[in-house]
Amino acid sequence: DSGVTQTPKHLITATGQRVTLRCSPRSGDLSVYWYQQSLDQGLQFLIQYYNGEERAKGNILERFSAQQFPDLHSELNLSSLELGDSALYFCASSETGGGGGREQFFGPGTRLTVL
Amino acid sequence: QQQVKQSPQSLIVQKGGISIINCAYENTAFDYFPWYQQFPGKGPALLIAIRPDVSEKKEGRFTISFNKSAKQFSLHIMDSQPGDSATYFCAASMISSASKIIFGSGTRLSIRP
Repeated sequence: DSGVTQTPKHLITATGQRVTLRCSPRSGDLSVYWYQQSLDQGLQFLIQYYNGEERAKGNILERFSAQQFPDLHSELNLSSLELGDSALYFCASSETGGGGGREQFFGPGTRLTVL
Repeated sequence: QQQVKQSPQSLIVQKGGISIINCAYENTAFDYFPWYQQFPGKGPALLIAIRPDVSEKKEGRFTISFNKSAKQFSLHIMDSQPGDSATYFCAASMISSASKIIFGSGTRLSIRP
């Protein structure tokens, strides 16, 4: 158990809908990262927050947004969902936001299915 | 230039054999190279990592070999066991910046008993 929690575990929804994925980082970790994992794309970095502020951005679509709250939990919002958004979404956390050399601890993931 | 290329996509090894997964990168600014292990239904977890000031790092049966001039690094799993069956991701990042970690595409490893 990494100490990172993600809810829900599974989510099934329809095209055009909007969903929110939630992540609670390990106790004491200030950084939260979001990744998308699909069968043919591997692990794609979406976005990083550090202590409430956006720190780095990856291949995140404009239909997706995220935020980190004062209690350090984070939410990833996915809107106008398309079939291709079906994937595993992982949240990871690390102690600090400064530097890519810090170990990232991954949560168990949320499996999103868009029908 | 931000890519990390990983091969093979899948690998089957007999129990007791050596599993070898290779990765290559282009960005010479990368200075931290971790390997993550992912079991089915779980999130990835850090297995072992190396910095380019050394050519090899060993932890138990797992060894990273690093070739800075060729911009390549590899994971060797000695005496492979069925419990090693998982997906392995190599990755690269820059320690000194807040940059993201770039992951390879993953290798699905199966160890035959």
